[in-house]
Amino acid sequence: SQTIHQWPATLVQPVGSPLSLECTVEGTSNPNLYWYRQAAGRGLQLLFYSVGIGQISSEVPQNLSASRPQDRQFILSSKKLLLSDSGFYLCAWSPGTGSGEPQHFGDGTRLSIL
Amino acid sequence: GEDVEQSLFLSVREGDSSVINCTYTDSSSTYLYWYKQEPGAGLQLLTYIFSNMDMKQDQRLTVLLNKKDKHLSLRIADTQTGDSAIYFCAETFNAGNNRKLIWGLGTSLAVNP
Repeated sequence: SQTIHQWPATLVQPVGSPLSLECTVEGTSNPNLYWYRQAAGRGLQLLFYSVGIGQISSEVPQNLSASRPQDRQFILSSKKLLLSDSGFYLCAWSPGTGSGEPQHFGDGTRLSIL
Repeated sequence: GEDVEQSLFLSVREGDSSVINCTYTDSSSTYLYWYKQEPGAGLQLLTYIFSNMDMKQDQRLTVLLNKKDKHLSLRIADTQTGDSAIYFCAETFNAGNNRKLIWGLGTSLAVNP
């Protein structure tokens, strides 16, 4: 069966520091991968998605970037964090067939910027 | 543009049925989804329905789809305290491009003993 791992679970970082959040998927090949941010107001905002190694689509202009160095690894990064980067970050995957199979989520990373 | 709307709060008594409603605007949607989020956790897929279906039942969950009114509902029978959570409705964005979803803001379900 497929599993998705996201870490760390919580992170407290000072303003201006770098960020690296990692997500890996097991038990499947060539998945679509997604990074979301969930602000306190509950809505889910799609940040990035990837349909293959090195292929990243950015949904909103921001202080963050994403990379996919391996088929089942998705990394969310920032060179200098802003206060507005605080939030709950969720990684998700779906089968790469484009058939409408649902997205499956990791447990999330709670990021607090001080 | 495309939008998904849900009421923000619902309160029910334990043992009653809960009905969570959702309306969407993209008539070309192929799939519609229901997810559950418990406090501090990720989103858990509950069920999903293809747009050519009217109803789907899975144990205590029943999904009804009214394509004419673009209305989706999730009924939870015999609601338990463990069902307290936020429930998100989502639809696929653009027929043929199933990589992105449009999300509602979630309905917070409170189950009172």
